[in-house]
Amino acid sequence: DAKTTQPPSMDCAEGRAANLPCNHSTISGNEYVYWYRQIHSQGPQYIIHGLKNNETNEMASLIITEDRKSSTLILPHATLRDTAVYYCIVRVGGGGNKLTFGTGTQLKVEL
Amino acid sequence: GAVVSQHPSWVICKSGTSVKIECRSLDFQATTMFWYRQFPKQSLMLMATSNEGSKATYEQGVEKDKFLINHASLTLSTLTVTSAHPEDSSFYICSAREPGTSDEQYFGPGTRLTVT
Repeated sequence: DAKTTQPPSMDCAEGRAANLPCNHSTISGNEYVYWYRQIHSQGPQYIIHGLKNNETNEMASLIITEDRKSSTLILPHATLRDTAVYYCIVRVGGGGNKLTFGTGTQLKVEL
Repeated sequence: GAVVSQHPSWVICKSGTSVKIECRSLDFQATTMFWYRQFPKQSLMLMATSNEGSKATYEQGVEKDKFLINHASLTLSTLTVTSAHPEDSSFYICSAREPGTSDEQYFGPGTRLTVT
């Protein structure tokens, strides 16, 4: 699976959009970009995933660059409950394939 | 979305004893489950992949005789930490894949193991 690079930490004001970047310059054509988050002392939570088109769901939007070498997870209106570690993971599609977690980005949402 | 539960949520045991952790998919059948371990301030590390009705596949460096995994049914996988030692104290998390069109893995809430 391709390696990803994320900033170790980010701060965001409550109510503002949180934009979390991820670099995956060695991504292969059949690899998807997945985002999970982990609130302290809980199991990870699936957020969104995509292959090459931008995706949006009730939680977030995923913007993937045209060359697919980077992506951005957007939380449109961050709340205090969005404070968590966000993991960007690149892997071949198929839920039976294992996920390799990097160090992620610690997002802190503040008043 | 699909729900995965773990039991117990936390456990304290004495060194040398064995501890069993259960992972259940509550509203779907999971042919594949995964077990992770997470030490404080570190990321999740995959320990093994559990397939219903067959032997688990362990990641490099994980002792299969120490971490026994059983996936006897489509809704239950168990992880048994045998002869636990203080260095086995960690946060153990399972995940399960919901088959069908969905491609996500759903994670349990985790089990905090403390070995004294």
